[in-house]
Amino acid sequence: QKEVEQNSGPLSVPEGAIASLNCTYSDRGSQSFFWYRQYSGKSPELIMFIYSNGDKEDGRFTAQLNKASQYVSLLIRDSQPSDSATYLCAVNLRGDTGRRALTFGSGTRLQVQP
Amino acid sequence: EAGVAQSPRYKIIEKRQSVAFWCNPISGHATLYWYQQILGQGPKLLIQFQNNGVVDDSQLPKDRFSAERLKGVDSTLKIQPAKLEDSAVYLCASSFGPASEGLLNIQYFGAGTRLSVL
Repeated sequence: QKEVEQNSGPLSVPEGAIASLNCTYSDRGSQSFFWYRQYSGKSPELIMFIYSNGDKEDGRFTAQLNKASQYVSLLIRDSQPSDSATYLCAVNLRGDTGRRALTFGSGTRLQVQP
Repeated sequence: EAGVAQSPRYKIIEKRQSVAFWCNPISGHATLYWYQQILGQGPKLLIQFQNNGVVDDSQLPKDRFSAERLKGVDSTLKIQPAKLEDSAVYLCASSFGPASEGLLNIQYFGAGTRLSVL
């Protein structure tokens, strides 16, 4: 069973639309949640960090966290072609050793059509 | 502020050869991570250092992979001997603190080394 689940996509949205990216995780005790953006051939770049239930907004990006449902999402408003990338959800999960480590999902590929 | 530095950017080797990757973290960052990212997958943690000590190497294939961070700053990851399935991007990341939660744990990634094993 994958510990951080994302739909691989591609998710295709028209320019100017809202893109909604979803992620579920297995460890109910997780406290820190991250969204990274990764352009093709580039390294992951942090775009959002959230640790409290509810919404966190930063410019065109909104992260939403629901710990009871073990669900975190990323909304991108007014999507631009430059937002086309893979979005990685990462969660601090407790592993087999008992330690918490940042665990990534496989990513959702977003395509914004001009 | 300089970011995480990695070298080389690309490496092509034949199976059974050895290879080494180098990483220099952001200045002042105590924690350093090595990840393996296979095409189409998210990064997978191989090893985590805090200063020059190993915190977590539970997913490091120790029969062929080794890593060190002797002076608590830069680090080297080695593969010997390489297998075809080691073809991947090897990412180094660093964070300010050892905390498992919160802002101190935000990880910043280097550009990565793309390894092709033929």
